[in-house]
Amino acid sequence: RKEVEQDPGPFNVPEGATVAFNCTYSNSASQSFFWYRQDCRKEPKLLMSVYSSGNEDGRFTAQLNRASQYISLLIRDSKLSDSATYLCVVNLINTDKLIFGTGTRLQVFP
Amino acid sequence: NAGVTQTPKFRVLKTGQSMTLLCAQDMNHEYMYWYRQDPGMGLRLIHYSVGEGTTAKGEVPDGYNVSRLKKQNFLLGLESAAPSQTSVYFCASSFQGGSTEAFFGQGTRLTVV
Repeated sequence: RKEVEQDPGPFNVPEGATVAFNCTYSNSASQSFFWYRQDCRKEPKLLMSVYSSGNEDGRFTAQLNRASQYISLLIRDSKLSDSATYLCVVNLINTDKLIFGTGTRLQVFP
Repeated sequence: NAGVTQTPKFRVLKTGQSMTLLCAQDMNHEYMYWYRQDPGMGLRLIHYSVGEGTTAKGEVPDGYNVSRLKKQNFLLGLESAAPSQTSVYFCASSFQGGSTEAFFGQGTRLTVV
């Protein structure tokens, strides 16, 4: 079983739609959680950290469910510019390593 | 604002050749990482460093060596390239390890023929 699992997609949604991605992690010792965004043939960039109480940044909302070991990302009012691959990332407690999921591809169409 | 810079951006090697990828960061970060990204596999950690003069193995270290002689530089070496090392290589740095944001370089596309 992979340490971090994501549905690869693609998710094809029209502009203005709301779309949600889930990610599951296998190690209960995971302590820090992130969503990164990666555009085609570019480097990953941090989209947002995920906090236990859930957090929002504009149109983006991240949630963490420690009991079920999953993380979610909700994008409201999708824009064409949101088209990218979204990477779920986990850090294990007392380690310096980030574990990446394989990513979920989002394509927003006009 | 250079951030993390990787050189070269593209390279084609013949099987058995050697090369070194250079990563440089100007953010005074302690932690530096080398990842490879392959289709369907996501980013996998090759080696990392928690400070100048230190290195540690990641998930897929075989066939690679690294050095961190200066805080701002992290070098990834391939001693004898194999076609299985064809990949996109990303360097990253962070201030405080895995609990803080990682900043990535633009990547190096390596093809081994």
